Amino acid sequence: NAGVTQTPKFRILKIGQSMTLQCTQDMNHNYMYWYRQDPGMGLKLIYYSVGAGITDKGEVPNGYNVSRSTTEDFPLRLELAAPSQTSVYFCASSYSSGGSYNEQFFGPGTRLTVL
Amino acid sequence: AQSVTQPDIHITVSEGASLELRCNYSYGATPYLFWYVQSPGQGLQLLLKYFSGDTLVQGIKGFEAEFKRSQSSFNLRKPSVHWSDAAEYFCAVGRGSQGNLIFGKGTKLSVKP
Repeated sequence: NAGVTQTPKFRILKIGQSMTLQCTQDMNHNYMYWYRQDPGMGLKLIYYSVGAGITDKGEVPNGYNVSRSTTEDFPLRLELAAPSQTSVYFCASSYSSGGSYNEQFFGPGTRLTVL
Repeated sequence: AQSVTQPDIHITVSEGASLELRCNYSYGATPYLFWYVQSPGQGLQLLLKYFSGDTLVQGIKGFEAEFKRSQSSFNLRKPSVHWSDAAEYFCAVGRGSQGNLIFGKGTKLSVKP
């Protein structure tokens, strides 16, 4: 049981390039989340999904896109990378039903630098 | 709007000393409250959570937290800190019906020998 895995661990992008951050969970969780973490700022929610085919915006969605075609995978797409997207990105998953709050399990993160 | 405040950015304690990390929240109803820990270069791990019931909750690694509605606080405590507790600690409150969390900005804990 690997939990939540993220690839790549590190990436350097040039301004204007695009990339996809991969996230996979093997716990059959219905909810998945993408956060970004900037120094001294805590975690900010980018997008989340409550199940395959259903996604919604979080606090800071601009410049990102997501899709959820399967329960296991929740990739995050950056279309035109900007220096402001330099951050550490965390994917998380949880099993939730009826509005309950269960533990979110976090991946190890992807450190992205845009130059 | 819901918010979480962690007043201390950085705390240093001696190994074996007691620890209290502060967390204040703003939420209209009964909050769902969490403490997570992040070791350097790692993801976040849940220490404990409060949903309802007993206001003193026990977590992993010897941590506990007390919910005080009158003070809108959910402070994290440990009686005796170990060097391995050096990490960043995040308080979070549940928001909405989708299981989303609002995180505080974190408190970095350093432990001196």
